[in-house]
Amino acid sequence: DQQVKQNSPSLSVQEGRISILNCDYTNSMFDYFLWYKKYPAEGPTFLISISSIKDKNEDGRFTVFLNKSAKHLSLHIVPSQPGDSAVYFCAAMEGGSEKLVFGKGTKLTVNP
Amino acid sequence: DAGVTQSPTHLIKTRGQQVTLRCSPKSGHDTVSWYQQALGQGPQFIFQYYEEEERQRGNFPDRFSGHQFPNYSSELNVNALLLGDSALYLCASSFVGLNSPLHFGNGTRLTVT
Repeated sequence: DQQVKQNSPSLSVQEGRISILNCDYTNSMFDYFLWYKKYPAEGPTFLISISSIKDKNEDGRFTVFLNKSAKHLSLHIVPSQPGDSAVYFCAAMEGGSEKLVFGKGTKLTVNP
Repeated sequence: DAGVTQSPTHLIKTRGQQVTLRCSPKSGHDTVSWYQQALGQGPQFIFQYYEEEERQRGNFPDRFSGHQFPNYSSELNVNALLLGDSALYLCASSFVGLNSPLHFGNGTRLTVT
């Protein structure tokens, strides 16, 4: 049973346009959500996070939106750049737990 | 400022053998977690160490064990290797406490033949 789902294995966008990566979760006890970016042959790199008490968090070109009632979050990248091409993982954590639960990832390709 | 470092980068073992993977946390971090990432999957939590003790464990058999040393570095040991243990093993470090993002190393690629 997958508690964090990224239903799109891949996404392709043009440079300068918006990239929207989606993530759904089933565990209502999750209260902290993170996005990680992974390049080949490297470990995941922390990108941005959001607590369940918020519905939006912004950091430069990256914005994460959380819809608790729908158990859905999304990562917006504006404008997209070729260097953003990587695999993006959505992850979630329950309060009081140290365990991150990851989705399977979405491979983003930004075309010049 | 060195980030999380893992060794070795690649390893090939035979079924039934034992393996030890090593991790040094990012400077200033006191907590180390280990994750297994199979091909095409997201990382899966194995366990976390803080103050040299296992704080939390994921759904992995007892063949997977670990250790944390006084300098916060850590080892992951896997006994009686199975073909299904072939994966990328990721170490992550953080500060203990609420919602501290994990910083990952580049991983050890283990192949079991």
